[in-house]
Amino acid sequence: ELKVEQNPLFLSMQEGKNYTIYCNYSTTSDRLYWYRQDPGKSLESLFVLLSNGAVKQEGRLMASLDTKARLSTLHITAAVHDLSATYFCAVDMGELYSGAGSYQLTFGKGTKLSVIP
Amino acid sequence: KAGVTQTPRYLIKTRGQQVTLSCSPISGHRSVSWYQQTPGQGLQFLFEYFSETQRNKGNFPGRFSGRQFSNSRSEMNVSTLELGDSALYLCASSLGGGDTQYFGPGTRLTVL
Repeated sequence: ELKVEQNPLFLSMQEGKNYTIYCNYSTTSDRLYWYRQDPGKSLESLFVLLSNGAVKQEGRLMASLDTKARLSTLHITAAVHDLSATYFCAVDMGELYSGAGSYQLTFGKGTKLSVIP
Repeated sequence: KAGVTQTPRYLIKTRGQQVTLSCSPISGHRSVSWYQQTPGQGLQFLFEYFSETQRNKGNFPGRFSGRQFSNSRSEMNVSTLELGDSALYLCASSLGGGDTQYFGPGTRLTVL
């Protein structure tokens, strides 16, 4: 059974600081997604990482994937209050189970980020 | 283009009843997945449909079922509702092939 572990689960940081959220998973996969969820809202896609060594950046967020270590990171640079949300990583085993193009995402428990002015 | 839409947005049912939730994917998306989100269990995969065929299924009892129509719209049904079925049910659509899944606003189901 695939396990996806995020840490930390709660993160309180000051504006302007840097921090990293870690996502470890237990089974080989090269498809990993990062999502953001605001309170009472749905999930917003942030990054899609589809190969070992993939790195994606958008604004103050940068995500990377190391499939050999089964680890993805979400790095926050110079945090601002607007980044306060819950961040989820999700590992996709759909291709392994049912062939190319299919989906079966297993999510981590999420990291609740609070950026304090 | 229009995003993923889900109806209804809120639903209150009593134990033992059944419920049907609807999802309309983004135009052109043929893959539709369903997820359940609860405070205790987090986000859990229910099933994925593509071209009217269920491709993957999560670890949920048979009371949870779904289907997809030829226009890619999808429905999920929960029969014999239990209190523990209270959750936010999210639908996501995608082009497939590793493309990201785009989530709808969800249906919040409360079982009394």
